[in-house]
Amino acid sequence: QQQVKQSPQSLIVQKGGISIINCAYENTAFDYFPWYQQFPGKGPALLIAIRPDVSEKKEGRFTISFNKSAKQFSLHIMDSQPGDSATYFCAASRPGAGSYQLTFGKGTKLSVIP
Amino acid sequence: NAGVTQTPKFQVLKTGQSMTLQCAQDMNHEYMSWYRQDPGMGLRLIHYSVGAGITDQGEVPNGYNVSRSTTEDFPLRLLSAAPSQTSVYFCASSRDRPPYEQYFGPGTRLTVT
Repeated sequence: QQQVKQSPQSLIVQKGGISIINCAYENTAFDYFPWYQQFPGKGPALLIAIRPDVSEKKEGRFTISFNKSAKQFSLHIMDSQPGDSATYFCAASRPGAGSYQLTFGKGTKLSVIP
Repeated sequence: NAGVTQTPKFQVLKTGQSMTLQCAQDMNHEYMSWYRQDPGMGLRLIHYSVGAGITDQGEVPNGYNVSRSTTEDFPLRLLSAAPSQTSVYFCASSRDRPPYEQYFGPGTRLTVT
């Protein structure tokens, strides 16, 4: 049972455009929703995270939108740049699990073309 | 700080061989985890530890053993390698309190023939 479903699998965006990646979860006990960014040959790195008590969190060009009733959250990358080309993973964890029991989506490979 | 380090970076094993993937962190983090990453599958948790002497199974623990004798080290052992264990393995560590950010190592690419 896949608890976090991520789409699309791949995404091509022109430089300056908006990249949008969506995730849906099933377990209503999840209370921490991070996004990780991974460049080829590297380990994932935390990009931005949100808790369900807020509907949106923005850090620079990256924004998480959270819809608790729909059990969905999304990553928006504004003014996408070629340097944003990477694989993005959404994840979720539940109370008491802290961060060490993250459930990851399958990833979205983003390519930003000049 | 070196962060999370993993050795080796690459490894080729024959079916049935055993080996240990090393992971160390110098951030005094309580939590450490091992994930495997396969194409189109995301990251799947193998084993995790909430502190020295305490380990537990994740989503895909079969064929792997772990131990945590110190806060810094969390080795992953493959007892009898199988081709299905061909993957990229990531070790991660984090604190036991917010913001719960997991710091990942650079990974070990393992091929089992």
